Parts: sequence; C-alpha cells; structure tokens
Amino acid sequence: NAGVTQTPKFQVLKTGQSMTLQCAQDMNHEYMSWYRQDPGMGLRLIHYSVGAGITDQGEVPNGYNVSRSTTEDFPLRLLSAAPSQTSVYFCASSDRWTNSPLHFGNGTRLTVT
Amino acid sequence: GENVEQHPSTLSVQEGDSAVIKCTYSDSASNYFPWYKQELGKRPQLIIDIRSNVGEKKDQRIAVTLNKTAKHFSLHITETQPEDSAVYFCAASGGATNKLIFGTGTLLAVQP
Repeated sequence: NAGVTQTPKFQVLKTGQSMTLQCAQDMNHEYMSWYRQDPGMGLRLIHYSVGAGITDQGEVPNGYNVSRSTTEDFPLRLLSAAPSQTSVYFCASSDRWTNSPLHFGNGTRLTVT
Repeated sequence: GENVEQHPSTLSVQEGDSAVIKCTYSDSASNYFPWYKQELGKRPQLIIDIRSNVGEKKDQRIAVTLNKTAKHFSLHITETQPEDSAVYFCAASGGATNKLIFGTGTLLAVQP
C-alpha cells in the first residue's frame, strides 16, 4: 500500500500559468480532500469529494477546480496561478465520508512568482 | 460553517513537564474531534481522536477531553519528551460529511 501519493513534490509557476496537482490513493477510500497550508493559518479546506462524480467546495475554493472521475484519483487544477496561491498543498483521504481519520499525502510545495 | 480556534500558538515546556493545548468550535452539530501532529517538513499524522459520545480518551501519554456544552476540547501530553516537539492541530467535523475544519496549530517545543 502506497497510501496517498502526491505529485509533484515541488513546483514553481509564473503568474498566469496553469497546472494540475496530482493525488492518488490505493486504499479504496470514499472520501478525498485538498488542503492548503500557510504559516499561521493552519490547514484550510479547498475542495472535497465523497465519491466518484461528486465534489464540493471547502473554505477557500476560489481559483481551484477539482474532478473525481475515479475512486483513486482527485486532481487539483490551478487555471491561472497567482502569487497568493503560493503554499504547501496536501491531499487527504478517509475510508468513510463521515467522522473518519484523514490520511495525508506528503504534500506539494508550490511557488508562484 | 464550522470555525475552530486553537490556543496557544506556541508552547515551550521542559522535558518531563505536561503540555495542554485547547480548542473551541462553533458548530454544535460537530461530533468528531481529531488531533494531528506535524513534524517539520512532514505530513500531518493522526495521534488521537474523540467522538461526541465520549468525554475523555487516553492513549499512553496522550489524552483528549471534550466538553460539548462549552464546545471545547483539549489535548494533554504528560511526561513530555524532545520527540514530542512538533506542530499540533486540532480539528472538528460533523453533519453529513467528513469536512474537517482545522485550528491554526500550536508549535510545541520540548526543551531537554
């Protein structure tokens, strides 16, 4: 079991560029989510999914899109990167979509210049 | 929506002392309260969790207490060791989904 795998580990973008952060889990988890972590602000929920074909917004969804075409994959898309999106991004999953511990990936450190 | 406040933001203790981190939440429907530990440069990892039908839970040197009336919960670490040094996050969720909302974190430093 690899658990939750995120790629890439590091990325530098220029303002206005687009990219996709990849997240895959091999635990057959129903629930997947994306968080961003900024100094002094903890982990803030961007988007989440309770199953294939179902996504919803979290606390800070603006500037990000997601899709969930399979149980395993939950990519996060930045359509037009901005310096305010410089952050560390974590993908997380859980086996149930309520009251269940999250398993985090190792994170992607994104810098937008 | 849910809002979670966490205090203190930094905490320094001597090795062997106890450490207490406190969180409050706003949504009375929340019923799941996990705590995560994040070492420098690593991912957050679950250390203990509690559900609303339980007032206290212990796991060796770690305990969590929950007061649903006051809407606050706390993490207690006894006999602290240098390897306990990390950032600790509380979180809360409830209702229909596992939409975990996190506190802003506590940087715990255990001085040898």
